[in-house]
Amino acid sequence: KAGVTQTPRYLIKTRGQQVTLSCSPISGHRSVSWYQQTPGQGLQFLFEYFSETQRNKGNFPGRFSGRQFSNSRSEMNVSTLELGDSALYLCASSSGTGGLDTQYFGPGTRLTVL
Amino acid sequence: DAKTTQPPSMDCAEGRAANLPCNHSTISGNEYVYWYRQIHSQGPQYIIHGLKNNETNEMASLIITEDRKSSTLILPHATLRDTAVYYCIVRVDSGGYQKVTFGTGTKLQVIP
Repeated sequence: KAGVTQTPRYLIKTRGQQVTLSCSPISGHRSVSWYQQTPGQGLQFLFEYFSETQRNKGNFPGRFSGRQFSNSRSEMNVSTLELGDSALYLCASSSGTGGLDTQYFGPGTRLTVL
Repeated sequence: DAKTTQPPSMDCAEGRAANLPCNHSTISGNEYVYWYRQIHSQGPQYIIHGLKNNETNEMASLIITEDRKSSTLILPHATLRDTAVYYCIVRVDSGGYQKVTFGTGTKLQVIP
C-alpha cells in the first residue's frame, strides 16, 4: 500500500503571500490531520478532517484553513504568511472510523517564509 | 490526554539494546501508550502501542509497568538508522477523533 504523500516537499514564499499544501492519504483512510513542526514549539496539531468535514481543531489563527475532498485528499491553506509560519507541515492519515486509530504520517512539506 | 516525561537525550552503542523510558504517571485506565519516532526532517513513524500488556512487533518491544505509570521502548539491536527522536504519547480511544499531542521526545544517538 502506498503511504501518505505530500506535495510540494519544499516551498519558499515571502511574507504576505498565501500558500496551499496538499496531502493524499493512504488508500481507504478517511481521516486526514495536519500538524505544524517548528524547533521552538515542536509538533502542534492544526486540524483534522473526516468525510470532508473539519471535526477537530487546534489552537491556530484563522489564517490557517483546510479542506478535504470527496476522495479524502486534503489541502491546507495559509494566508498572509508571516516569518513565524516557516515550519515543517505534516499530514497524517488514519481510517478515522472509530476506536483507537493509528496515524500514519507523510514526509512533510518544508515551508520557508522570507 | 495524559502528559508524558522523557529524557531529552540518550546514547546507545550500535548492536546493543536501546531502552527508552517514558513516565506517564497520570495515565488513566482507557489511555493507550503509543511510540513514534522521527528521523531528521522526516514525518513521524509509528512504532508500537499498548494498553497494559507488553507488546512486540518487528520493530520494537514495549514494556508497560503493572501500575501503568511508566513504560520502556526497547530496540533490541540498535543500528545507526535508529538514530532519531522518539516520542512517547498517551492517547485515549476517542472514537476515531484524532488530536495527537506530542511532547519533546528523546533524541537517541546510536554510536558506531
